[in-house]
Amino acid sequence: AQSVAQPEDQVNVAEGNPLTVKCTYSVSGNPYLFWYVQYPNRGLQFLLKYITGDNLVKGSYGFEAEFNKSQTSFHLKKPSALVSDSALYFCAVRAPQAGATNKLIFGTGTLLAVQP
Amino acid sequence: NAGVTQTPKFQVLKTGQSMTLQCAQDMNHEYMSWYRQDPGMGLRLIHYSVGAGITDQGEVPNGYNVSRSTTEDFPLRLLSAAPSQTSVYFCASANQGAKNIQYFGAGTRLSVL
Repeated sequence: AQSVAQPEDQVNVAEGNPLTVKCTYSVSGNPYLFWYVQYPNRGLQFLLKYITGDNLVKGSYGFEAEFNKSQTSFHLKKPSALVSDSALYFCAVRAPQAGATNKLIFGTGTLLAVQP
Repeated sequence: NAGVTQTPKFQVLKTGQSMTLQCAQDMNHEYMSWYRQDPGMGLRLIHYSVGAGITDQGEVPNGYNVSRSTTEDFPLRLLSAAPSQTSVYFCASANQGAKNIQYFGAGTRLSVL
């Protein structure tokens, strides 16, 4: 069955340091993978996606993610964290039997806290 | 552009009451969906629609009804609210297709006493 795991409930990083938010997945077939961000009291916003092609995907706000098929991972990264990056981050994968629909399965979320 | 608009932003209900959460989008998206967000559980799909007149169940549909009479609107109905339905509800829309991104509303925070 399709699933996605975010092993860390919270990630703490100092401003200016690199950050990584982890995501692993389990899918049959080609994975469609997404990262979304949720700022306090707001809806989710799209950051980036992997459908096919280059394993390094670049997205909004300087974020990037690396698709690793052998490790079934899709970790979110940024070279230099900002306090304004503090938010809740969700990894998502296309749902099983989604077919042509947009159905996604979301991870449980990782809270990123960037300290000044 | 308004995007995806949800109303109300906050609601308190008593057990057994009914209500409708409204969702409207102005992007002519075929796909619309409702999620609930609970601590430690991420977002779970309640119902979704791939076009006007077409709806289907998601992961946690019990206790919720939906309809899609127009492309723009996708209301979520709670017929008899229960405390277990206390949650934050998000509506999302997208162009049809698994590769397309979803656009989310700002959410409705619901408390059932």
